[in-house]
Amino acid sequence: KAGVTQTPRYLIKTRGQQVTLSCSPISGHRSVSWYQQTPGQGLQFLFEYFSETQRNKGNFPGRFSGRQFSNSRSEMNVSTLELGDSALYLCASSFSSGGELFFGEGSRLTVL
Amino acid sequence: GENVGLHLPTLSVQEGDNSIINCAYSNSASDYFIWYKQESGKGPQFIIDIRSNMDKRQGQRVTVLLNKTVKHLSLQIAATQPGDSAVYFCAENIGPQGGSEKLVFGKGTKLTVNP
Repeated sequence: KAGVTQTPRYLIKTRGQQVTLSCSPISGHRSVSWYQQTPGQGLQFLFEYFSETQRNKGNFPGRFSGRQFSNSRSEMNVSTLELGDSALYLCASSFSSGGELFFGEGSRLTVL
Repeated sequence: GENVGLHLPTLSVQEGDNSIINCAYSNSASDYFIWYKQESGKGPQFIIDIRSNMDKRQGQRVTVLLNKTVKHLSLQIAATQPGDSAVYFCAENIGPQGGSEKLVFGKGTKLTVNP
């Protein structure tokens, strides 16, 4: 059974640009969550989607957005990138909203 | 606000020793706690979880203890092996569904196992 797949694994952007990250959950999983990981702030919750609906949201500015498709795949978008957005963005999926989370290996974003 | 923290940023043990990693949380209403292990270059990996109606739960070589009185969580690893070297995070659920849908993570403890 394939794990959570995130693409791209690494990317470099410049300030002001936007970026879209993709996450394919484990087959059959309907809940997808996104986390930002930085050395200073650690792992911080961004949002959670379940059956194409955003059910929970963290304390991030509106530049951070996401969506989930009918096949449970999810994307997150960051617009008007800032240097502080450099981070490892982790996607996690679970069968149900309260189930065990399975994390992908992350997309490492560097903003120059 | 919600805050889950860790007492020690690093822990070094000898192979074969037992390891204890501690975590303090601040939200007394939280009812679900999880420990994760993160190896370099990888995403966090689930180790063990515990609900607030329990004070101890055991897995394979790992035990989680929950003390709700002092809002303290610990992870015990028996007979620590070099493969246990990683960063360990505790996480607290603050989502309305009572599961893993919205987690607050601690800063992490880096465990180093010396051969």
